[in-house]
Parts: sequence; structure tokens; C-alpha cells
Amino acid sequence: KAGVTQTPRYLIKTRGQQVTLSCSPISGHRSVSWYQQTPGQGLQFLFEYFSETQRNKGNFPGRFSGRQFSNSRSEMNVSTLELGDSALYLCASSLLAVAETQYFGPGTRLLVL
Amino acid sequence: QKEVEQNSGPLSVPEGAIASLNCTYSDRGSQSFFWYRQYSGKSPELIMSIYSNGDKEDGRFTAQLNKASQYVSLLIRDSQPSDSATYLCAVRTSYDKVIFGPGTSLSVIP
Repeated sequence: KAGVTQTPRYLIKTRGQQVTLSCSPISGHRSVSWYQQTPGQGLQFLFEYFSETQRNKGNFPGRFSGRQFSNSRSEMNVSTLELGDSALYLCASSLLAVAETQYFGPGTRLLVL
Repeated sequence: QKEVEQNSGPLSVPEGAIASLNCTYSDRGSQSFFWYRQYSGKSPELIMSIYSNGDKEDGRFTAQLNKASQYVSLLIRDSQPSDSATYLCAVRTSYDKVIFGPGTSLSVIP
């Protein structure tokens, strides 16, 4: 099976812009979670989607949003980018919403200038 | 108190030795525990998951869970230079979020 794919892999934006990141889970997986990883804060949970519904959300401002499509692909959007949003954004998929094992994609590295 | 804490590291061990990585968590209702390995510039990959008290072995890796003490550990036997990476402890909490610890950097010296 193909693994989790994320596009784009690298992105440079300026403050105030918005960005959309995409994640395609492993075929058959219905749950997609998003994480932000920075050197200072580590890996932080953003949100989780299952069957097009947001099941859980981390402690991030409303500028961070996401959605999941009927084919389980997911997108996350960050509006009004700030310098502090520079990070590696990781998507992870799992078979079911309450399934335990998550498989991570390669990530999208976002740099905000 | 942070929800998931790990040895501050970095941890250095000689090749062939046992590396011991520790993790504590605050949510007593947590039921699922994971160890991920992350090489520099790469995404995390799952090493082991553990759900019940006691030990779980997989090759050179042994995960140990003690729910009463809210403690989970990972032992790596016969450490190899290729084991040099950051090890992340993750806990699926009772409120159904997966919380990662800050990670412990392991360096295996040839």
C-alpha cells in the first residue's frame, strides 16, 4: 500500500498570507490527524477528522482549520500567517477513529517570512 | 505539569549497550501508549504500542507499562548506531487526544 502523502513538501509564505496543506491517507484509512512540530514546542496535536467530521481539536487559534473529504483526503488551512507558524506540519492516518496506530506522512515544511 | 514528560536527554550509550528511555503521563485514564522514532529531518515512525501493564517485546525493543505509576518505558537492547534518533512517547488520553512527549535524543556511540 502507498503510504501517507502530503503536498506540498515545502512552502514559503509571508506574514498575513494564508496557506492550504493537503494530506492523502493510506488507502482504507478513515481517520486523519494533523500535528505541528517545532523545535521549541515539539509535536502538538492540531485536529483529528473521521468520516468528514472533526472529532477533536487541539489548543490552536481559530486561524487553523481543516476539513476532510468523502475520500478521506484532508486539508488544513492557516489564515493570516504569523512568523510563529513556521513549522513542520505532519499528517497521520489510522484505520478507524479510535484505532491506535497512526502512520505519519513526510510532512510539509512551512516557512513564514 | 506537562501531560507527557520524557527524560530530558540527550542520552548517549556505547554500541551494544542497553538504552533506557522513560516517559510519565498525567491522565490516569489513558489506555494507549506508543513509542515513535524520529530521525533528523524525517517523520515519526511507530516502534511499539502497548496497552496492558507489563512488558511487550519486539526484537531488540521492549516496552514496559505501569499504569499505577503512570509510567511507560522503552528498552533497546544491543544498541546500534542506527538507533541514534529522537524517541517520542505518545499517549492517547481519556479525552481521545494523542499527546506526544518532547522526545529524548539518543546517540549510540560506535
